[in-house]
Amino acid sequence: EAGVAQSPRYKIIEKRQSVAFWCNPISGHATLYWYQQILGQGPKLLIQFQNNGVVDDSQLPKDRFSAERLKGVDSTLKIQPAKLEDSAVYLCASSKGPAGGENEQFFGPGTRLTVL
Amino acid sequence: GDSVTQMEGPVTLSEEAFLTINCTYTATGYPSLFWYVQYPGEGLQLLLKATKADDKGSNKGFEATYRKETTSFHLEKGSVQVSDSAVYFCALRGNQAGTALIFGKGTTLSVSS
Repeated sequence: EAGVAQSPRYKIIEKRQSVAFWCNPISGHATLYWYQQILGQGPKLLIQFQNNGVVDDSQLPKDRFSAERLKGVDSTLKIQPAKLEDSAVYLCASSKGPAGGENEQFFGPGTRLTVL
Repeated sequence: GDSVTQMEGPVTLSEEAFLTINCTYTATGYPSLFWYVQYPGEGLQLLLKATKADDKGSNKGFEATYRKETTSFHLEKGSVQVSDSAVYFCALRGNQAGTALIFGKGTTLSVSS
């Protein structure tokens, strides 16, 4: 079965510009997650969707970050405007059922963002 | 809040050496515990997990035991290979529905032949 797909794999922008990342989860997976992984740290959850509804966005900087999951399948994460501290790898993951229990999360390869 | 602390790296070993990567956690209740691995150029993969105290997770020769009394979940392997070179992340997930994974900072393992 195909894994979680993400694009682009790399992106370099200047501060104050905007950027968008795309994620296509594993087919049939109801739950989708976006994580931010800053160099030298573990991934940190930004937002979690179940189908097309938001379950948890408590750590999403809503003044500049936004995310949507139209039709409960693909998702996009946007940053506008970007800051230097947004330089990180953005990981998308999906799981078959809701978070918790025995539902394993499968991760995509990530998008490496560099803000200059 | 919940948190995970794992030993700082990098860890450098020779092939066939014994590996231990320490992981301790702080959480309320009874979280599930995980080890994820990230090979160079690849995404995070689940290596093993344990969902209750005294459970032992194992996979690919790696093992970790959920120790509630010491709030630990140390990763071990008896004989490492060059192909085990990767970054290893310890993580926990609270036992309430909808809770997210909380990761440690990761430990880089480098194995030489």
